[in-house]
Amino acid sequence: GGIITQTPKFLIGQEGQKLTLKCQQNFNHDTMYWYRQDSGKGLRLIYYSITENDLQKGDLSEGYDASREKKSSFSLTVTSAQKNEMAVFLCASSRTGGGNTLYFGEGSRLIVV
Amino acid sequence: GDQVEQSPSALSLHEGTSSALRCNFTTTTRSVQWFRQNSRGSLINLFYLASGTKENGRLKSAFDSKELYSTLHIRDAQLEDSGTYFCAAGTGGYKVVFGSGTRLLVSP
Repeated sequence: GGIITQTPKFLIGQEGQKLTLKCQQNFNHDTMYWYRQDSGKGLRLIYYSITENDLQKGDLSEGYDASREKKSSFSLTVTSAQKNEMAVFLCASSRTGGGNTLYFGEGSRLIVV
Repeated sequence: GDQVEQSPSALSLHEGTSSALRCNFTTTTRSVQWFRQNSRGSLINLFYLASGTKENGRLKSAFDSKELYSTLHIRDAQLEDSGTYFCAAGTGGYKVVFGSGTRLLVSP
């Protein structure tokens, strides 16, 4: 088995601030994903990465940057936090692409004050 | 429009009863996954299907890639089945697109 660890669990920042979320997986999976979940809603894909140093935009990439410096880690940066961005950010990984089971971390909640 | 249409958006069941959730896909879908999200926000993978049906205890899922839909049947619902259920479509390549979820409440 393996685990996906997201840090921090809660991230509080001010409007306009640049904020970074981190995700680590020890499954040795190739593909990693960042999703955003707004309260009571489904998950929307922000960025994904199919291998180290690869980045692919999802449906919601504007206002975000991502970085996959190592196979095991995938970070997401909110470039200028806005109050309407308060949501839970979920990291996932899978062995290869969409044809394999996704495993999720427990999420990071972003709070903008 | 949305690639994955999930229904119903909310469902109330009494313990011991059964029901089904459904996802319709508007584009070619090569695989489907079903998840349950608990009150802490954790997403647990229930099924992965590239075709056909799978069963695990009181849960059974089916995927018809030609007719573009998938179902999740819950038999003999228990209180611990409460949560939000999501389907997710693998549309080819690496993207996985989620439905908007079904909030299930099982009551005594």
